[in-house]
Amino acid sequence: KNQVEQSPQSLIILEGKNCTLQCNYTVSPFSNLRWYKQDTGRGPVSLTIMTFSENTKSNGRYTATLDADTKQSSLHITASQLSDSASYICVVSAINSGAGSYQLTFGKGTKLSVIP
Amino acid sequence: KAGVTQTPRYLIKTRGQQVTLSCSPISGHRSVSWYQQTPGQGLQFLFEYFSETQRNKGNFPGRFSGRQFSNSRSEMNVSTLELGDSALYLCASSLQVNSPLHFGNGTRLTVT
Repeated sequence: KNQVEQSPQSLIILEGKNCTLQCNYTVSPFSNLRWYKQDTGRGPVSLTIMTFSENTKSNGRYTATLDADTKQSSLHITASQLSDSASYICVVSAINSGAGSYQLTFGKGTKLSVIP
Repeated sequence: KAGVTQTPRYLIKTRGQQVTLSCSPISGHRSVSWYQQTPGQGLQFLFEYFSETQRNKGNFPGRFSGRQFSNSRSEMNVSTLELGDSALYLCASSLQVNSPLHFGNGTRLTVT
């Protein structure tokens, strides 16, 4: 069964500090891994999308890493800002060869609170 | 470019009623998918449409249905509402299958 586990469930950090969020998955056959940011009351917004051959990808202060061998990904946030307070969701796409399509498996997210 | 638009933003219904939610994708996007989000379960996939055809369906009862029109706009319908259907329903569009999703801000459904 395809699964995506995120840790920690929640995190509180001081403004200006760095933090790292984790995502472990048991999804196959792997197609890509995505990180989304969801502000309260809004829809998720894409941060990064990585394929099998990509180890790292950055989007401003957000850097995602992928280790396809250990099936782990991390999202590192540098110099956090109050606006980084949100839920961060890891999503893994698997090739659904039987149906000729793709299946997305969602993690339950990490709720990050940045305090002044 | 306008983003994904979902209407209505909020909805309150009574058990046993039915509801229809609407989603207008980003212009040019042909894939539309729907998700249910609750605090305990996170985001759960409902179904995906591409060029008016349902390509994928999640593990939800038959009370949940959807369709896509020729202009890529999509609707989802929930019949015989139950208290457990209270959730945020999100629609997402993408240029093609397996490309990044662009989400709307959702419809918050409350069933009383």
